[in-house]
Amino acid sequence: GAGVSQSPSNKVTEKGKDVELRCDPISGHTALYWYRQSLGQGLEFLIYFQGNSAPDKSGLPSDRFSAERTGGSVSTLTIQRTQQEDSAVYLCASSLPPGELFFGEGSRLTVL
Amino acid sequence: AQSVAQPEDQVNVAEGNPLTVKCTYSVSGNPYLFWYVQYPNRGLQFLLKYITGDNLVKGSYGFEAEFNKSQTSFHLKKPSALVSDSALYFCAVRDNNYGQNFVFGPGTRLSVLP
Repeated sequence: GAGVSQSPSNKVTEKGKDVELRCDPISGHTALYWYRQSLGQGLEFLIYFQGNSAPDKSGLPSDRFSAERTGGSVSTLTIQRTQQEDSAVYLCASSLPPGELFFGEGSRLTVL
Repeated sequence: AQSVAQPEDQVNVAEGNPLTVKCTYSVSGNPYLFWYVQYPNRGLQFLLKYITGDNLVKGSYGFEAEFNKSQTSFHLKKPSALVSDSALYFCAVRDNNYGQNFVFGPGTRLSVLP
C-alpha cells in the first residue's frame, strides 16, 4: 500500500484479555518499529525489527508483550492478560535505512 | 547513549509571527536529525531531516531547521505561523554509530493564536 497500515484503529477490551495489533509496513521497507504513546504524550520505544536480524526487544515493558514479523513484512504486537495501564495508542513505523520513519495512524487500545 | 531534549512543553505564538521550536541532542557519533508533527488523533508526519550537507534544511509546509553542531541543536522554524500549524512537534535523533534506533524528544505543543 501507499502508507503504513495499522489495524484495528480502535480496540476496547476487558482486563485480562489478550489483544493483537497488526501493522502492514510500506512495501520494501526493511525496518519496522513499534512505539507506545499515552494520551498525547511522548513516544515510548517498544521493539525494532531490521531485515532478518534478531529484533531489538529492549523496550518491551513486560513479558506480557511480544511481537513478531512474518516474512519480513507484516508485524503483530500481542499483549497478553491486558491491564488498565496498557491503555494507549500503539504506533507502528517503517523505514528504508538510513531514511526517516513513516508512521501509521495508530491503534488506540482501551482496557476496561 | 543518544538523547533528545525539547526544553519547552508548550509554545504559543500569534498567527503571522515567526515560530521556533527548540531541540538539543546528544550522540556519540554523527547525528541524523528529524522533525515530526502530530495532529490530534493522528500518527506522526515527517517534516524534515538533516543527514549531511547544508546546515539549513527546508521541509514540508514551509518549515525549516538549522543544524548547529557546536550547540548540538536542531531548532525548527517557520517565518510566519498559521493557526493550522497548531500541533504536537517531536524532534528525533539517530546515531549513525548505533544502528537504527531512533530516540524521540518528549514533544512540544505549539499553539498558534489567531
